[in-house]
Amino acid sequence: AQSVTQLDSQVPVFEEAPVELRCNYSSSVSVYLFWYVQYPNQGLQLLLKYLSGSTLVKGINGFEAEFNKSQTSFHLRKPSVHISDTAEYFCAVTSDTGRRALTFGSGTRLQVQP
Amino acid sequence: GAVVSQHPSWVICKSGTSVKIECRSLDFQATTMFWYRQFPKQSLMLMATSNEGSKATYEQGVEKDKFLINHASLTLSTLTVTSAHPEDSSFYICSAPLRDRESGANVLTFGAGSRLTVL
Repeated sequence: AQSVTQLDSQVPVFEEAPVELRCNYSSSVSVYLFWYVQYPNQGLQLLLKYLSGSTLVKGINGFEAEFNKSQTSFHLRKPSVHISDTAEYFCAVTSDTGRRALTFGSGTRLQVQP
Repeated sequence: GAVVSQHPSWVICKSGTSVKIECRSLDFQATTMFWYRQFPKQSLMLMATSNEGSKATYEQGVEKDKFLINHASLTLSTLTVTSAHPEDSSFYICSAPLRDRESGANVLTFGAGSRLTVL
């Protein structure tokens, strides 16, 4: 079984400041990791994914994340946030992209203030 | 790009009635689709896995007679909430796996969600 922990339920940050949203996972097998963003009353949009290869992955909207196997982490970062980045962010994991659904973390609300 | 279309985006119904939500994969086929439920300010909880041509697989605690899932074709899965009650009010989101060309792995693409309010 897998699980995902997002340590921060809310992260307030000022516009143009850097931000890091933390995600830790637990799994006894190899994993695939994802970050999704959800705007109010909308579905989920894929930000970025780690499937294999380079541990530093870049996504849309200037976000990036680093897969750290030894620390079982997949933290999301952005060097300079915008007001429009205000949304809910979900980290997710699966061990088999073909047959298994994603297991989601509890989400982190990023609140960008002017 | 590939899209998962969900309909209706919102629905209000009276207690005791049934509501059907459709999930379609546009321009790609999906033998498997996943249905999630999300309560306000909470994460997504997997309800069931919809399988084309066979019965859906339900997660523990999800009533299969309450939440009927039918995967009618390679591009359509439906979720019917039967005899809806106010506690069934929630945001329902479907997703379908789409093959990533670079890695060969499947990546879940999500619909925009359906907000159900039962009065």
